Amino acid sequence: ETGVTQTPRHLVMGMTNKKSLKCEQHLGHNAMYWYKQSAKKPLELMFVYNFKEQTENNSVPSRFSPECPNSSHLFLHLHTLQPEDSALYLCASSQARAGELFFGEGSRLTVL
Amino acid sequence: GDSVTQMEGPVTLSEEAFLTINCTYTATGYPSLFWYVQYPGEGLQLLLKATKADDKGSNKGFEATYRKETTSFHLEKGSVQVSDSAVYFCALSNSGGGADGLTFGKGTHLIIQP
Repeated sequence: ETGVTQTPRHLVMGMTNKKSLKCEQHLGHNAMYWYKQSAKKPLELMFVYNFKEQTENNSVPSRFSPECPNSSHLFLHLHTLQPEDSALYLCASSQARAGELFFGEGSRLTVL
Repeated sequence: GDSVTQMEGPVTLSEEAFLTINCTYTATGYPSLFWYVQYPGEGLQLLLKATKADDKGSNKGFEATYRKETTSFHLEKGSVQVSDSAVYFCALSNSGGGADGLTFGKGTHLIIQP
């Protein structure tokens, strides 16, 4: 069982669809993160949860909606996305808020 | 705010060549510094880290030294292999600056030719 698991690994959706990305960590960490990785751009921190409480939202459009039901699970709910939202979405966890991050393998999202 | 600048590449080298990937940072306080590596189709993996000035992080033949006077954390390897081909990210964490998570550079694509 890997430390941080993301599903699905690949997702294709239309602009009117609603879908969710799931992340689960088996490391006993307290903080979880969503990052967006687009070609030719730095990794963009989207959301941070610490002890299930959202501590950071970096001006992310409301069509992205995070949910953290417990310290081990993190979701990213997607609705009415745009083609420019196509990217690799990476989940990560850490023991402390500013410590070493452990990443999942990512969910490759394509919006048609 | 905090930022990380690294050479973007692609950097193409022959096997057994010496590697340097430059990384400089801007941050308040005393950040921790990291190098992550991303192999094709995978997430990011921690390669090495340093938490205070003059610390040297090392792993798998790679090393980097935290230089506060030049705000740098350059990655080096004496003899690269084809299997080192990947994208390398320099990053910092700065809890003293009140930020969560890591701030990443844009990544450097490294290509090693046999």
